Amino acid sequence: AQSVTQLGSHVSVSEGALVLLRCNYSSSVPPYLFWYVQYPNQGLQLLLKYTSAATLVKGINGFEAEFKKSETSFHLTKPSAHMRDAAEYFCAVSESNDYKLSFGAGTTVTVRA
Amino acid sequence: DSGVTQTPKHLITATGQRVTLRCSPRSGDLSVYWYQQSLDQGLQFLIQYYNGEERAKGNILERFSAQQFPDLHSELNLSSLELGDSALYFCASSVQDTQYFGPGTRLTVL
Repeated sequence: AQSVTQLGSHVSVSEGALVLLRCNYSSSVPPYLFWYVQYPNQGLQLLLKYTSAATLVKGINGFEAEFKKSETSFHLTKPSAHMRDAAEYFCAVSESNDYKLSFGAGTTVTVRA
Repeated sequence: DSGVTQTPKHLITATGQRVTLRCSPRSGDLSVYWYQQSLDQGLQFLIQYYNGEERAKGNILERFSAQQFPDLHSELNLSSLELGDSALYFCASSVQDTQYFGPGTRLTVL
């Protein structure tokens, strides 16, 4: 069975600063890994995904994530935070046999002006 | 806009009642997934349908059931509602490994 741990339920960054959101996973088979973003009162929007191709994955809105098998991690970064990045971010894992997603608890990002 | 639609957007009902949530997947997507998002449990997978057949089951209560129709839309039926069923219910659809989520239905049980 797969599971996800997101370190830090809240992250506060200054506008223009680096955003780093941590995600560690466990999976019995090679995983598919995803980052989703949820803006207030909205659904989940896919930011990026890893599906066993390149280990550095680029997504929308300037975000990227690196898959590190040895560390079982898939941390999300953005070099320069913008006010519009304030949202909740979810890391998720699935396996190829059924694709159902297991989500982390989420990290809420606030951006200070 | 993900292309996945859910109705209604909000639902307020009383304990003991039954409600039906509806989901229309993206054009061409055969798989539909249902998730529940609550403050205490987070985002949890409930059930998956693929081309009309149940494919996988998660933490879905016996009071809840779902089905997928020939036109591929899906319905989630929640019965004998309890206060703890208040949550945001999401539907997602996919072709293979990537799921696209609808805007959700917010259920409030009073």
